[in-house]
Amino acid sequence: ILNVEQSPQSLHVQEGDSTNFTCSFPSSNFYALHWYRWETAKSPEALFVMTLNGDEKKKGRISATLNTKEGYSYLYIKGSQPEDSATYLCAYSSGSARQLTFGSGTQLTVLP
Amino acid sequence: GAVVSQHPSRVICKSGTSVKIECRSLDFQATTMFWYRQFPKKSLMLMATSNEGSKATYEQGVEKDKFLINHASLTLSTLTVTSAHPEDSSFYICSARRSASTDTQYFGPGTRLTVL
Repeated sequence: ILNVEQSPQSLHVQEGDSTNFTCSFPSSNFYALHWYRWETAKSPEALFVMTLNGDEKKKGRISATLNTKEGYSYLYIKGSQPEDSATYLCAYSSGSARQLTFGSGTQLTVLP
Repeated sequence: GAVVSQHPSRVICKSGTSVKIECRSLDFQATTMFWYRQFPKKSLMLMATSNEGSKATYEQGVEKDKFLINHASLTLSTLTVTSAHPEDSSFYICSARRSASTDTQYFGPGTRLTVL
């Protein structure tokens, strides 16, 4: 994998459902993996930064895991609420550049 | 903390004119600021990286004479789109990083540019 890929591109879930999305990234020269939440008309908000293989981070109902050896990260949302509706972006940085390379995002819509 | 503002949020201009977009870190000093462009249905594409007091580093394919970046202070960076063309119409968003020891970038809300 040369780029950051996120799947699915979009999904709709019912309020109360749990959901998860995937971020795939190059596994070579890895430095850090970031997750952002981007609500319409607002600034992207940093959710998590993970650096070590096996890292797990949690913030309320949202959690994320990291596998640097195979180059993927999962973001989980437990008991989705309408206010969770947003685009979730992941971005990775490599050891050399330290700049962020973004995926195209997963657009989540939580239906009441 | 870590609030970044961007102004204007929306601008419409005529072809051939120049447009300046400001990015400010409101409650922290940013050693580095970044400018991104987002095409429809695409990810954020890094245009350039700027460090306070030095010239910006542009990504491959980004015209430095067209997209002028000035990072005059630790809290302000500006992007000027010169001699704008309709194909420059896009969503531009900036971010700021507190220090070189962290990767986390704090984003502004973005600017929608429409060139007629």
